[in-house]
Amino acid sequence: AQRVTQPEKLLSVFKGAPVELKCNYSYSGSPELFWYVQYSRQRLQLLLRHISRESIKGFTADLNKGETSFHLKKPFAQEEDSAMYYCALSGTGNQFYFGTGTSLTVIP
Amino acid sequence: DTGVSQNPRHKITKRGQNVTFRCDPISEHNRLYWYRQTLGQGPEFLTYFQNEAQLEKSRLLSDRFSAERPKGSFSTLEIQRTEQGDSAMYLCASSLAGTMIRSGEQFFGPGTRLTVL
Repeated sequence: AQRVTQPEKLLSVFKGAPVELKCNYSYSGSPELFWYVQYSRQRLQLLLRHISRESIKGFTADLNKGETSFHLKKPFAQEEDSAMYYCALSGTGNQFYFGTGTSLTVIP
Repeated sequence: DTGVSQNPRHKITKRGQNVTFRCDPISEHNRLYWYRQTLGQGPEFLTYFQNEAQLEKSRLLSDRFSAERPKGSFSTLEIQRTEQGDSAMYLCASSLAGTMIRSGEQFFGPGTRLTVL
């Protein structure tokens, strides 16, 4: 069954420290993986997707098919990165599966 | 505002009543998605449309839930005989997807928060 797991509900890091938000998935085919972010009092919005292989706001994510992971990383966290982050998978029939989210707090 | 809009933003209803939510997508987007989000959880996919065709509805939560997109523009989500467990945030998203882009970027609306008393 398709599933997206984000093991950390809460994550706190100090400003300037590296941050990694973990995402593991379960899918038998070739999924599309995404990271969505929700800043306080804002709508959910796309942060990045694995097929574009780009860095957005300093964040990167590499799809590791062997480990079925799509961890989100940033070398130096900023206070404005504090938000809720959701990993998502698009599978067969364009159904989307979201993880439960990780709330990131960057401590000044 | 040219983004996705949803109405109403909040709805309080009594158990057993029917409710209908509306979503207006970004005008050129051909795909429209409905999700439910409960506290502490990520969005839960319910259904989606490509133009006016509902291509996936197996994950609608029960037969009390139905969705339409009659002219391929706005969409409605109806819940009949509401139950307290239906209390949640209902999100709509739209995207532009084609043959070269399997899943376009989804743009989310602000959501409709449903409270069933």
